Amino acid sequence: DTAVSQTPKYLVTQMGNDKSIKCEQNLGHDTMYWYKQDSKKFLKIMFSYNNKELIINETVPNRFSPKSPDKAHLNLHINSLELGDSAVYFCASSRNGNTIYFGEGSWLTVV
Amino acid sequence: AQSVTQLGSHVSVSEGALVLLRCNYSSSVPPYLFWYVQYPNQGLQLLLKYTSAATLVKGINGFEAEFKKSETSFHLTKPSAHMSDAAEYFCAVSENSGNTPLVFGKGTRLSVIA
Repeated sequence: DTAVSQTPKYLVTQMGNDKSIKCEQNLGHDTMYWYKQDSKKFLKIMFSYNNKELIINETVPNRFSPKSPDKAHLNLHINSLELGDSAVYFCASSRNGNTIYFGEGSWLTVV
Repeated sequence: AQSVTQLGSHVSVSEGALVLLRCNYSSSVPPYLFWYVQYPNQGLQLLLKYTSAATLVKGINGFEAEFKKSETSFHLTKPSAHMSDAAEYFCAVSENSGNTPLVFGKGTRLSVIA
């Protein structure tokens, strides 16, 4: 009965690879987000989708491409991974701009 | 544009002592304000939120925060620290309308000394 679930939780991969992180929410929310937490614990919004439509796209390299097949899912695909992509990626969701609920995070390590 | 400043990247208190984590915000519109806690290797858990109702907000685990518009502050307090309170705490702000994302402070790491 997890509210916001994301997989995988841990991912170690080599530079240049392509990887995806999946996210699903069962809260009936209409807005989903991806946040990035860097090594200094700083959290920053990457993308925001409302009813499957992209509404926020911060300054993120084109190698990052979100995809929302339906309101309950927002996946993050990363091409040509670089060392600097190592971080924790959090999926989150909300309804009508109210409280944002976060997933457990996906720890990505690029070697 | 909105922003959050958390004073002190690391706060250390003795077990049983008062916890005070400071947060100041900047917003051109009435804000929603939040405190989240992150335990090691875990996600973010909502502690409490202010959404333009009562200015003193009570949250989980004995935490509370007071919204002070004149000081643009939303400090987090707990009367008596427990060892289990050791974690990273994040203050965040969003606009009180629409689906705007949260803007986070840089976090404050709370250590509790036995």
